[in-house]
Parts: sequence; C-alpha cells; structure tokens
Amino acid sequence: AQKITQTQPGMFVQEKEAVTLDCTYDTSDQSYGLFWYKQPSSGEMIFLIYQGSYDEQNATEGRYSLNFQKARKSANLVISASQLGDSAMYFCAMNEHDGNNRLAFGKGNQVVVIP
Amino acid sequence: DTEVTQTPKHLVMGMTNKKSLKCEQHMGHRAMYWYKQKAKKPPELMFVYSYEKLSINESVPSRFSPECPNSSLLNLHLHALQPEDSALYLCASSQDPGSEKLFFGSGTQLSVL
Repeated sequence: AQKITQTQPGMFVQEKEAVTLDCTYDTSDQSYGLFWYKQPSSGEMIFLIYQGSYDEQNATEGRYSLNFQKARKSANLVISASQLGDSAMYFCAMNEHDGNNRLAFGKGNQVVVIP
Repeated sequence: DTEVTQTPKHLVMGMTNKKSLKCEQHMGHRAMYWYKQKAKKPPELMFVYSYEKLSINESVPSRFSPECPNSSLLNLHLHALQPEDSALYLCASSQDPGSEKLFFGSGTQLSVL
C-alpha cells in the first residue's frame, strides 16, 4: 500500500505568491517523522523541513512551513513568497520509527515559478 | 562541511563493463545509503550501511555490489548491468542509523547501453 500520497498535477506559481503542496500519509505507527525534500533539475535532493509525529508545533524553516494535521494524516508544505529558484520537484517522505531508517517517498510535485 | 560528494556525475557504460560509483562525506556520519531514482519517479532505497556494516539490502540484484571501505566512503560496484538499470543513483548519509535527517549528494546519472 502506498504510504505517501502526493496527487497534485504540475503547478505553475506566480513569483512572490505562496504555494501549498499536499501530502497525505498512511501509517499505524504512533512514532514517525515527516519530511519534505526539494529536487531541482541538477538532481540533488535538498532537505527542507522535518516534522516529528509528537511535535505539537508546526515546523517552520525560513519560507517553508509544514501544516501538520495528525488526525487527518496530512503534512502539507507551504512555501511563502515564491522565488524563481523554487522551481523544482518536491517530495514528501515519511520515516516510520521501526528501527530501520527507511524513507518512503511520495511521487512528487512539480512546481514551476513564473515571473 | 555539510556535503555529500558523488563521482562521477555522469557515466555511460556498456553491459559488459565494470564500473564503480563513489560517495564521500566528511560530516562524521555513521550511516550511508544508496538510492536509485528513475526519471520522474521518487527515489528507491537500495542499501543501507550502519557503522560500516551492511544493514539493509532491498533485494537488489547482485550485479550491484556495495562497499563501505571506511566511515567516510561508500562505493557501488557495477557489473553486467542492463539498460533498465539506467537511472540517477543517489548517495545519502545521516548522523547515525536512527537519525532522521538524510543529506543527499547530487547523484550519478548512469546510462547503460
């Protein structure tokens, strides 16, 4: 069964606008971690933000914030004030704390920022 | 130094060739990973090394052979690959096997002819 679901088609975003990328997950574990990674055309996977399942506050890292709704099992990424350099593929991922450090990735969201 | 360095960036090889991908980190991380990523797909875990020992092999064919000579280096030896093995191969590291945050390299884009 798919553990991470990202269903939005490719998105065009106006520069300086905010964009929300949806992510839902499926786990029966109580303890897990949620991540967002950015992958530009260069190929590198860049860590953006992390949310632990027991964290009560939504994670924020600069222009990135994670809208964590545990009961709905969603972990949406919000990018504020989009920049041209934000054009990339964005992956949501989950690590179930089962002793094996396996990241389960979603299929990704393609974001293109237009001037 | 917060980088994971992968070489080469691009590799083209024939099905009878033997080649190696290299990965290096100097962050003192004790867990290192190989992922395979096909175009427009998410990365898929291949191998995990914890404290220089292979801890996870995700049923990867034996034509892929990982090696961890020391805590800073991770190699992936390739032999008799198939065209369907063409992909981006990403190396990653984390502080320890239980650490959440993975640092990824830029990958090696492999083409098998």
